[in-house]
Amino acid sequence: AQSVTQPDIHITVSEGASLELRCNYSYGATPYLFWYVQSPGQGLQLLLKYFSGDTLVQGIKGFEAEFKRSQSSFNLRKPSVHWSDAAEYFCAVMYTGTASKLTFGTGTRLQVTL
Amino acid sequence: NAGVTQTPKFQVLKTGQSMTLQCAQDMNHNSMYWYRQDPGMGLRLIYYSASEGTTDKGEVPNGYNVSRLNKREFSLRLESAAPSQTSVYFCASSPRTESYEQYFGPGTRLTVT
Repeated sequence: AQSVTQPDIHITVSEGASLELRCNYSYGATPYLFWYVQSPGQGLQLLLKYFSGDTLVQGIKGFEAEFKRSQSSFNLRKPSVHWSDAAEYFCAVMYTGTASKLTFGTGTRLQVTL
Repeated sequence: NAGVTQTPKFQVLKTGQSMTLQCAQDMNHNSMYWYRQDPGMGLRLIYYSASEGTTDKGEVPNGYNVSRLNKREFSLRLESAAPSQTSVYFCASSPRTESYEQYFGPGTRLTVT
């Protein structure tokens, strides 16, 4: 069964510092990969997605992610974090032929200190 | 465009009561989904509807039923609420053609006492 692992439950970074949130998926086929962000009390907003092609994808709000098949990873990065980036981040995976069902990781809560 | 809307935003139920969570989308999407979100567990799929007229179980369907009323609307029903169903419920929709992105509603926070 497809699964997604986000090993970091909680991360704290200083404003202006770089950020990397880890995501690993498990399955043999080529996945479709997503990163979503959830601000407190809000729904989920898509940051970026990877379907095929260039393994480095750019998203909204200055985020990027790199798909590494050899490591089964899709880590999210941002060069300089802003206080408004404090939120919960979810990695998700989808496979073709599954009615576009998403499997989510358990999330990483990002705290930004000033 | 409202996107995906959900009603109600908040609800408190007593054990054994029933209720229906409503979801509607105005993006002409084919597929719709219901998730629940619990602390430390991410989002888990309850039921989904790949297209109008079809529904299927997801990862955690027990205690729930769904109805795809038409292409726009997908409701989730709790027939006899239990405290274990206290959660935040999200509805999502996806076109499933050209783009597999799912668009989420704002959520319904349900407490069962």
